[in-house]
Amino acid sequence: DIVMTQSPDSLAVSLGERATINCKSSQSIIYTLNKKNYLAWYQQKPGQPPKLLFYWASTRESGVPDRFSGSGSGTDFTLTISSLQAEDVAIYYCQQYYNSPLTFGGGTKVEI
Amino acid sequence: EVQLVQSPTEVKKPGQFLRISCKGSGYTFTDYWIAWVRQMPGKGLEWVGIIYPDDSDTRYSPSFEGQVTISADNSITTAYLQWNSLKASDSAIYYCARAPTALLNPNHFDFWGQGTLISVSS
Repeated sequence: DIVMTQSPDSLAVSLGERATINCKSSQSIIYTLNKKNYLAWYQQKPGQPPKLLFYWASTRESGVPDRFSGSGSGTDFTLTISSLQAEDVAIYYCQQYYNSPLTFGGGTKVEI
Repeated sequence: EVQLVQSPTEVKKPGQFLRISCKGSGYTFTDYWIAWVRQMPGKGLEWVGIIYPDDSDTRYSPSFEGQVTISADNSITTAYLQWNSLKASDSAIYYCARAPTALLNPNHFDFWGQGTLISVSS
């Protein structure tokens, strides 16, 4: 199984400041034939289901504010919130869909 | 509008049978995978398994293989997650989620159901 390791477990950021979340996979999740990274990022707010933010590591889902960005390749990935807003308080998860079983990172809790 | 509507909260006893459902609408049901994801109280997301309704290709996480059964009824655009004998440790929220397909495999989860809370206690 591919293990997804997120860091940190939690972080507190001031409003308007940058938040950076890291995700590392135990093996490369880039498919050589199409050069795509099989990684997604989700945001989960309390009492709600997760919401897709990014897929293919850096393709922003429709409606996601551009203060969010996804980057990285191979085994190391980053989700960045450039200017934290109050509504961004949530838990963020990375997930690989390179192979089965599909696996999630443990989550990173972002607080103000 | 794409929607995944899940069945409501269930309160059950250990050893009982349970099947929860996830009804898709607003898209062609057989063109997308449907996954099931568990979230235990205060914990993270765990992938249970996934089904491609078009050909019933079903895959399970090793952690859940043999413990649950995933199925789909295309005539009513509904996917199911079933337990034959519940345990207290099955208590959790279970989400269904839709995944596009590419190269015969599921991709990211682009739409999620609202979740079904299952409580198992004697």
